Amino acid sequence: DAGVTQSPTHLIKTRGQQVTLRCSPKSGHDTVSWYQQALGQGPQFIFQYYEEEERQRGNFPDRFSGHQFPNYSSELNVNALLLGDSALYLCASSFGTSVYNEQFFGPGTRLTVL
Amino acid sequence: RKEVEQDPGPFNVPEGATVAFNCTYSNSASQSFFWYRQDCRKEPKLLMSVYSSGNEDGRFTAQLNRDSQYISLLIRDSKLSDSATYLCVVNAYAGNMLTFGGGTRLMVKP
Repeated sequence: DAGVTQSPTHLIKTRGQQVTLRCSPKSGHDTVSWYQQALGQGPQFIFQYYEEEERQRGNFPDRFSGHQFPNYSSELNVNALLLGDSALYLCASSFGTSVYNEQFFGPGTRLTVL
Repeated sequence: RKEVEQDPGPFNVPEGATVAFNCTYSNSASQSFFWYRQDCRKEPKLLMSVYSSGNEDGRFTAQLNRDSQYISLLIRDSKLSDSATYLCVVNAYAGNMLTFGGGTRLMVKP
């Protein structure tokens, strides 16, 4: 049973560029959430997708956008990259959106913005 | 004020020691509570859920005090493999949006 997978594992971009990160949820899961984890900090919620719609959004600017596909996989897009966007981007999947449902995290994509 | 606050540590303890971590949260409407473990440069993994009645899983015991908005994690008989960052996590809003503390780093030494 495959867990949550993310691609790519590492990425280096320069300021002003755009990036797309990808996530495939754990088998049987239909909800995908994205988190940003800066070095030395806990993850911060970016947004959540369920039924191909953005359901919840954290305190992130519109430069951060996403999409969920019919097979439940998801993409995170970041436009006009800033140095401060350098972080580990984590995708988490769950079945449904209940607060009691465990979220399983993928290994993350480490983004470096130069 | 951060929504979930933890002492960042590090806590340096010898093998076999008992260590306790605490966490406070600000949103009294929080509905579910967890401890996650994160190894260096890896993803967070659920250690245990936390209930008002308290719960135990082997050497790990978690407690929740809703009146004080306080969560604790006790690790007994520490192992070298317990060395990691422990993240206190609260689910305060509908839709399963996790709010993480900054993490407490534990280093268990021989």
